Amino acid sequence: GDSVTQTEGLVTLTEGLPVMLNCTYQSTYSPFLFWYVQHLNEAPKLLLKSFTDNKRPEHQGFHATLHKSSSSFHLQKSSAQLSDSALYYCALRGYQGGRALIFGTGTTVSVSP
Amino acid sequence: DAGVTQTPRHEVAEKGQTIILKCEPVSGHNDLFWYRQTKIQGLELLSYFRSKSLMEDGGAFKDRFKAEMLNSSFSTLKIQPTEPKDSAVYLCASKTGGGAETLYFGSGTRLTVL
Repeated sequence: GDSVTQTEGLVTLTEGLPVMLNCTYQSTYSPFLFWYVQHLNEAPKLLLKSFTDNKRPEHQGFHATLHKSSSSFHLQKSSAQLSDSALYYCALRGYQGGRALIFGTGTTVSVSP
Repeated sequence: DAGVTQTPRHEVAEKGQTIILKCEPVSGHNDLFWYRQTKIQGLELLSYFRSKSLMEDGGAFKDRFKAEMLNSSFSTLKIQPTEPKDSAVYLCASKTGGGAETLYFGSGTRLTVL
């Protein structure tokens, strides 16, 4: 069935360094992928989502490219900020049954000065 | 506009008790979701409603978990009976119907089962 895999549970890095979070998926049909971010004591919220026309989505300095050949939608940012410390979820819109989003297990990012 | 409202924010239950969590979606949203959030499993789908009809039920949660949508602006999640392994954050989310649209989450209910 459809699924999302995030291999890193925790990523720690220093402010100013690049960050990349891995996301791979299995999808029965043409996929829609999303990244959600959850800051401490807040609700998850959408960070960015894939497009059908191969545009690269960007938001708050983050970007992700959907690669259907490798079934990936990795999240990247060239220079991490302290405020990027949060929990990041990759999600796939499922086609089995209804259309609920299928989430990965999440990656916690901790940025230090 | 009001976002997704969940009550209570915290709930403590004894093993075997019945608890009911509440959710009010964003006004006008047709789709409502219940997810369980844990560090190990991430976000797991419990139930998905579209226009009050149950569209999807998380297979692993069918026996003791029951979500209902009493009207378009109110949903409940009942856990009966509770077990310590149910300790988690329960998130409600809503969205408009259609394609690759945004999910709006509530702040969640943190459940602790003793």
